[in-house]
Amino acid sequence: EDKVVQSPLSLVVHEGDTVTLNCSYEVTNFRSLLWYKQEKKAPTFLFMLTSSGIEKKSGRLSSILDKKELFSILNITATQTGDSAVYLCAVDNAGNMLTFGGGTRLMVKP
Amino acid sequence: DAGVTQSPTHLIKTRGQQVTLRCSPKSGHDTVSWYQQALGQGPQFIFQYYEEEERQRGNFPDRFSGHQFPNYSSELNVNALLLGDSALYLCASSLLRGQLGKNIQYFGAGTRLSVL
Repeated sequence: EDKVVQSPLSLVVHEGDTVTLNCSYEVTNFRSLLWYKQEKKAPTFLFMLTSSGIEKKSGRLSSILDKKELFSILNITATQTGDSAVYLCAVDNAGNMLTFGGGTRLMVKP
Repeated sequence: DAGVTQSPTHLIKTRGQQVTLRCSPKSGHDTVSWYQQALGQGPQFIFQYYEEEERQRGNFPDRFSGHQFPNYSSELNVNALLLGDSALYLCASSLLRGQLGKNIQYFGAGTRLSVL
């Protein structure tokens, strides 16, 4: 059975801090790993990673995939209160079915 | 360009009743997937529809059924509701045809179902 585990479960930081969110996975037929941000209801797409060692960047957010060790990290630098959300990691098992982790709840205090 | 839209936003039902949730995919998308998200947990895959057929199914009982229409919109039906069916139901759309495996699922805002 495919499995995705995220850590930590929750995190409280102050504006300007840097955070690292972790995602490990066990999937029988890996195709890609995706990161989503969920503020209230709709998860919004952040990144898709398919190849190991490729770092994706979008402003203050970046992500790396390690296909050998089966994990990914999401980094957020210079955090802002608007970054407060649940961050979800999901793996596509080549059947276009996403298996999600439980999420990391990030709270950024002013 | 409208994103993924779901209706209704909220729904309250009692045990044993039946419910139908609706989803319109993002313009240009041909695939709809449904997920159940219990409070404090990540979404769980229910099933996926492509070309009006159920393409994949997660570990959910037959009480959960669906349909996809020729315009790619979709419905999720749940029969004989249980208290444990209370959750946020998310619909995601993607473009499967010709994407060479790099398709991204975009989510709607969900339907919050409460079963009393």
